[in-house]
Amino acid sequence: NAGVTQTPKFRVLKTGQSMTLLCAQDMNHEYMYWYRQDPGMGLRLIHYSVGEGTTAKGEVPDGYNVSRLKKQNFLLGLESAAPSQTSVYFCASSYGLENTDTQYFGPGTRLTVL
Amino acid sequence: AQTVTQSQPEMSVQEAETVTLSCTYDTSESDYYLFWYKQPPSRQMILVIRQEAYKQQNATENRFSVNFQKAAKSFSLKISDSQLGDAAMYFCAYRRYSGGGADGLTFGKGTHLIIQP
Repeated sequence: NAGVTQTPKFRVLKTGQSMTLLCAQDMNHEYMYWYRQDPGMGLRLIHYSVGEGTTAKGEVPDGYNVSRLKKQNFLLGLESAAPSQTSVYFCASSYGLENTDTQYFGPGTRLTVL
Repeated sequence: AQTVTQSQPEMSVQEAETVTLSCTYDTSESDYYLFWYKQPPSRQMILVIRQEAYKQQNATENRFSVNFQKAAKSFSLKISDSQLGDAAMYFCAYRRYSGGGADGLTFGKGTHLIIQP
């Protein structure tokens, strides 16, 4: 099993450009999450999904959109990138069951917006 | 909203010795989970240990153990026999019990652990 994978690993954008980050998991997890990590900070939740076709806002959703068209994939979109969105982005997934709910993280994507 | 506080930005310990990382949290919930994650220079987030708030017994995983004090809202991580591979950022995280974790984890700002040979 590959676990949780993220594409791309690195990306540099200019202000105003758009891009999509792809997260894929092969563990048949119901729940998927997108977090961002800024220097000196822990991870903060951007958006999450509790199943195929569902999405919901987390703590810092502004400037991002997400889609979960397939159970195994969770896409994070930036329509008009801003320098404030320079960060490391992590995807995570979990079964969503109370007693087994451990989140498994991908390797992260480092995004720089110039 | 829940908050997680790690008051030690950086800790240093000699190899083979014991070190304790501190974490406090604030919540109005009675049932929740607490976690310690390790983030080495590779950036990968690795689960170290988890604790269910309804369990009085402190969780242990090999050289890693926690001191969970529910009334004090404290959740410290003890690493025994420190090894060079333990050097990393350590994050304390909280998740409320209800909702199956749908609202994700709340993280502290992290403690950078240095292991001196």
